[in-house]
Amino acid sequence: QQKVQQSPESLSVPEGGMASLNCTSSDRNFQYFWWYRQHSGEGPKALMSIFSDGDKKEGRFTAHLNKASLHVSLHIRDSQPSDSALYFCAASHTGYQNFYFGKGTSLTVIP
Amino acid sequence: GPKVLQIPSHQIIDMGQMVTLNCDPVSNHLYFYWYKQILGQQMEFLVNFYNGKVMEKSKLFKDQFSVERPDGSYFTLKIQPTALEDSAVYFCASSRDRNYAEQFFGPGTRLTVL
Repeated sequence: QQKVQQSPESLSVPEGGMASLNCTSSDRNFQYFWWYRQHSGEGPKALMSIFSDGDKKEGRFTAHLNKASLHVSLHIRDSQPSDSALYFCAASHTGYQNFYFGKGTSLTVIP
Repeated sequence: GPKVLQIPSHQIIDMGQMVTLNCDPVSNHLYFYWYKQILGQQMEFLVNFYNGKVMEKSKLFKDQFSVERPDGSYFTLKIQPTALEDSAVYFCASSRDRNYAEQFFGPGTRLTVL
């Protein structure tokens, strides 16, 4: 069973709009979450981490974590065409351990 | 920013042959990882490596797999012999620290086993 599930599989938003990506896990031992972004032909690159319940904001990106519901989300404000990419949620049991990845959400920002 | 390089970008080999995938991690990083991604599936952890040793491996890390980083050169994943189910994209990653650390990923090596 896949431990990290992402939704939606794909998403299109207009330039300047808000994109919302979701991630849920089936393992209550996951404590640490990361959002990664992958542009075509490149490796995944970390956007931000979130380890505590609540919101974490970095520029146009806001992550939200609710450990009780095993749900983490990523919201991209004022989306830009350069935000078009594949977004992965990654979870780990401890700060050290290997990541469990979701299948990704493909985001397209339409100019 | 820091970059992880992977060589080659594509590799096609016949089943049963040996293949070595090379990774040039970020220069001051100490922890190294391999992940496997089959087409249409999520990336899955294979192994992590620190101070010359495998620290943790998943069930996907079969006996035919081995990793090493001789004398601070490339971090390598060797598969010997290869099987059809080894066809995938293999991502290398490195991190500076053990705890809570961002993993930096390379662009992947696409391996096709015929």
